[in-house]
Amino acid sequence: SQKIEQNSEALNIQEGKTATLTCNYTNYSPAYLQWYRQDPGRGPVFLLLIRENEKEKRKERLKVTFDTTLKQSLFHITASQPADSATYLCALTGYGGSQGNLIFGKGTKLSVKP
Amino acid sequence: DARVTQTPRDKVTEMGQEVTMRCQPILGHNTVFWYRQTMMQGLELLAYFRNRAPLDDSGMPKDRFSAEMPDATLATLKIQPSEPRDSAVYFCASGLAGGFYNEQFFGPGTRLTVL
Repeated sequence: SQKIEQNSEALNIQEGKTATLTCNYTNYSPAYLQWYRQDPGRGPVFLLLIRENEKEKRKERLKVTFDTTLKQSLFHITASQPADSATYLCALTGYGGSQGNLIFGKGTKLSVKP
Repeated sequence: DARVTQTPRDKVTEMGQEVTMRCQPILGHNTVFWYRQTMMQGLELLAYFRNRAPLDDSGMPKDRFSAEMPDATLATLKIQPSEPRDSAVYFCASGLAGGFYNEQFFGPGTRLTVL
């Protein structure tokens, strides 16, 4: 069955460092991969979308890579700030049929300490 | 500032009672999604609509859950009868044509507790 794993439930880093979150998947041929941010008590907020034929995408301090050979996406936050503390979710969409829906990982809780 | 709204924000009910959750998607969005989030399972798709027509509700327990879009400004998710295992946060999201290939805009969620 399709499976998405985010490397760890929690990640603690120091302010100013680069946070790197990992999303691995199995039994899946994703067309698109998305990253969302979720704060406590709120709904997820879209951050970035990357297509299978794109290797990397950037937005301000955020960078996403997508390696379909390794079946992995890396999400980087450079110059991290305490305000970046949140849970980050990766989500995959395939090409339709049983893989056409958006499937979410369980998330990684990032804590950035001052 | 366009956003998805959901009511109620919190709901506590007793087992066996009917629960109705409402969602107002962003004006102009033609796809609407219902998700359920729990600590154990994470975020799971329950159903989604395009142009008010249900496209997939395979994630819902059919015997007790139902989802509808009476009009373009209202989506409802109903549980009857509710059970303790239904306790979760229910999110509605909306998006433009392209469905899962576009970003989704999530509402604040309805936290449901079934005693």
